[in-house]
Amino acid sequence: KQEVTQIPAALSVPEGENLVLNCSFTDSAIYNLQWFRQDPGKGLTSLLLIQSSQREQTSGRLNASLDKSSGRSTLYIAASQPGDSATYLCAVRAPDNDMRFGAGTRLTVKP
Amino acid sequence: GAVVSQHPSWVICKSGTSVKIECRSLDFQATTMFWYRQFPKQSLMLMATSNEGSKATYEQGVEKDKFLINHASLTLSTLTVTSAHPEDSSFYICSARDLAGKSYEQYFGPGTRLTVT
Repeated sequence: KQEVTQIPAALSVPEGENLVLNCSFTDSAIYNLQWFRQDPGKGLTSLLLIQSSQREQTSGRLNASLDKSSGRSTLYIAASQPGDSATYLCAVRAPDNDMRFGAGTRLTVKP
Repeated sequence: GAVVSQHPSWVICKSGTSVKIECRSLDFQATTMFWYRQFPKQSLMLMATSNEGSKATYEQGVEKDKFLINHASLTLSTLTVTSAHPEDSSFYICSARDLAGKSYEQYFGPGTRLTVT
């Protein structure tokens, strides 16, 4: 059974800092990996989706990488802003289309 | 982009009553919808996979007689929490898969906050 782990569980940084969120998964046979943002009490907002054949995806200040062989993905946020404060979830989809989530990293960007 | 709606966005009910939550794909068709539950400060846990026109597949530990799922059309799935108890209080999120999308991306609803008193 696929296990998805996110480290750290919580992170607090000053505004303007670059940061990296980590996601690891136990089974490298994945279909794709997706990063989401969740604001308190809200649903999920998809940030980036990386297919298993890809190594990275970029959107604005966000860059996500995927190393399938080592079972790792990182989400890089450049020049962080207070509006980036949220919980970031990593989700891995298996070839049979079952999607598994990590517990998330709770990010606080201080002005 | 693809939009998934949920109704209601929040509901408070008394212990022992039943609550129905609707999940709709607004601008696309989805043969498969997923129901997740999220407790405070925890991640999303898949409860069941709902396929249009057939019985839902439940994850281990999820009571199918307590969480009734109906997926009667390509755009609507419902989750009914029967005889709700305070421990059922949680955030329920549905997700729908777009048939036409090459990546089979799942789109998530905004969630429904259930509080059982």
